[in-house]
Amino acid sequence: NAGVTQTPKFQVLKTGQSMTLQCAQDMNHEYMSWYRQDPGMGLRLIHYSVGAGITDQGEVPNGYNVSRSTTEDFPLRLLSAAPSQTSVYFCASSFLGGDVEAFFGQGTRLTVV
Amino acid sequence: GQQVMQIPQYQHVQEGEDFTTYCNSSTTLSNIQWYKQRPGGHPVFLIQLVKSGEVKKQKRLTFQFGEAKKNSSLHITATQTTDVGTYFCAGPRDTDKLIFGTGTRLQVFP
Repeated sequence: NAGVTQTPKFQVLKTGQSMTLQCAQDMNHEYMSWYRQDPGMGLRLIHYSVGAGITDQGEVPNGYNVSRSTTEDFPLRLLSAAPSQTSVYFCASSFLGGDVEAFFGQGTRLTVV
Repeated sequence: GQQVMQIPQYQHVQEGEDFTTYCNSSTTLSNIQWYKQRPGGHPVFLIQLVKSGEVKKQKRLTFQFGEAKKNSSLHITATQTTDVGTYFCAGPRDTDKLIFGTGTRLQVFP
């Protein structure tokens, strides 16, 4: 099993550009989530999903969109990138939401110039 | 704002010294989880504590969950260079959301 796979690993964007960070898991987990990691801030929840067709906002959702059309995939979209979105992004999945172990992807390091 | 705080933010120790990181939540938690992130890596689950006052050990690592289920600690005895990384606590919010603490970065000098 591959677990949680994120692409790309690195990305540089210009301010105002859009892009989609991909996340796929092969563990048949219902719960998927996106976090951003910034120095001194820990991991902050952007958006999460409790199943296909269901998404909700986390702690820092502004500037990001998500959708969940299948159990396996949970893409994160930046519609108009800003320098404040420079960060490391992690996708995670779990069997049962916040009450059980979360499995993380390798991360995407995004720089917005 | 951040609802789960950890202290200290950074800790540098000599190899062989002990290390402790503390985690405090603004609300009662049904459980607390701990994760380790190696430099350049992703968070990896270490352990989950569920009961009030629970203590669990993994070799040199000791995890505690407070009586009020609002705080937790991770203690490493006799640190090794392999312990280097950032340690995060995390707790559920509204069942579906897993909220992480601010993390403690541990550096171990040989």
